[in-house]
Amino acid sequence: NAGVTQTPKFRILKIGQSMTLQCTQDMNHNYMYWYRQDPGMGLKLIYYSVGAGITDKGEVPNGYNVSRSTTEDFPLRLELAAPSQTSVYFCASSPSGLGNEQFFGPGTRLTVL
Amino acid sequence: TQLLEQSPQFLSIQEGENLTVYCNSSSVFSSLQWYRQEPGEGPVLLVTVVTGGEVKKLKRLTFQFGDARKDSSLHITAAQPGDTGLYLCAGGSNYKLTFGKGTLLTVNP
Repeated sequence: NAGVTQTPKFRILKIGQSMTLQCTQDMNHNYMYWYRQDPGMGLKLIYYSVGAGITDKGEVPNGYNVSRSTTEDFPLRLELAAPSQTSVYFCASSPSGLGNEQFFGPGTRLTVL
Repeated sequence: TQLLEQSPQFLSIQEGENLTVYCNSSSVFSSLQWYRQEPGEGPVLLVTVVTGGEVKKLKRLTFQFGDARKDSSLHITAAQPGDTGLYLCAGGSNYKLTFGKGTLLTVNP
């Protein structure tokens, strides 16, 4: 039982490039989340999903897109990367959204130059 | 927009000291969670409190949820170097969590 896995662990992008951050969970959780964590700023919700085929915007969705074609996978797409997207990205999953623990992946550290 | 304010932002203490970290909001949450995050890793849940006035203990850690479900505190007794990390509070509502900015705790041996 691997929990929540994220790839890659590190990535450097040039301004304007695109990439997909991968997130997979093997706990059969319905709820999945993408956060970004900037120094001294806590975690901010980018997008979330309450089940396969359903996604919704969080607090800071601009510049990102997501899809949820299966229960296990919740990729985050960055189009036209900008320096403001330099951050550490965390994926999380939860069995249900109400008061349940969120299980976090190890994070992807992204730098846009 | 719901906001959670954590204080202090940084805390450096000696091994054996006691400390309290605060988490305050003007909004009511259905639940309040505390996570600990170590460098290079994702946050890990310490506790969830859901009832106003609730107190939970986890070894040397005591968590309290305010009566109005707007604030919470984390008290650590006799801190140890292994307690070093970023402590995050998170308020739950509508299937989502709103995180505070965190308290970075350093316990010096």
